[in-house]
Amino acid sequence: EPEVTQTPSHQVTQMGQEVILRCVPISNHLYFYWYRQILGQKVEFLVSFYNNEISEKSEIFDDQFSVERPDGSNFTLKIRSTKLEDSAMYFCASSEMYRVHGYTFGSGTRLTVV
Amino acid sequence: GQQLNQSPQSMFIQEGEDVSMNCTSSSIFNTWLWYKQDPGEGPVLLIALYKAGELTSNGRLTAQFGITRKDSFLNISASIPSDVGIYFCAGQNSSNTGKLIFGQGTTLQVKP
Repeated sequence: EPEVTQTPSHQVTQMGQEVILRCVPISNHLYFYWYRQILGQKVEFLVSFYNNEISEKSEIFDDQFSVERPDGSNFTLKIRSTKLEDSAMYFCASSEMYRVHGYTFGSGTRLTVV
Repeated sequence: GQQLNQSPQSMFIQEGEDVSMNCTSSSIFNTWLWYKQDPGEGPVLLIALYKAGELTSNGRLTAQFGITRKDSFLNISASIPSDVGIYFCAGQNSSNTGKLIFGQGTTLQVKP
């Protein structure tokens, strides 16, 4: 079964530092997403990405966040200057189309900002 | 913004019992999804519903897409200990960006 792979599984960073979370989506998927889940809360949409550009972003996805597809396989989320409230699980997902067919989540990166 | 109201928030049941949980929204969704999340893992898709009124089963799981397109339910029959986890509903609207809106989750505990 194809998987969405995320690295690292856990990242601890100092407040104010930049972090890059990495994802390898399923190879034939065209749509890529990042979601966030603060401990004990629901999963929240951050951003969707298609054809090398952001197609939608939430109010959470402010100027401190950016996404990139630097090559044909990786999809990254960068947080420029982390804050304590950025501590959360970050999930990458990908889908074949904008509809949900084949929408698959990775296992997540736990980001802890200290 | 759009919100999904999921209930109940948690359930503690005996093995073998049936379980029902539901989601409602003030907005219309074109697609409803039900996910299960185990601790430290990402959501795993259980059932996807694409048409209003659709009733779909996956083993012991049954889900329905409400006629009004504003609600959905998930039933689990004859629960077993490995059903333990958090169940989330998620909806997708007419947006062509693929964005999913998640409910708050139902935590299910099953007593053997």
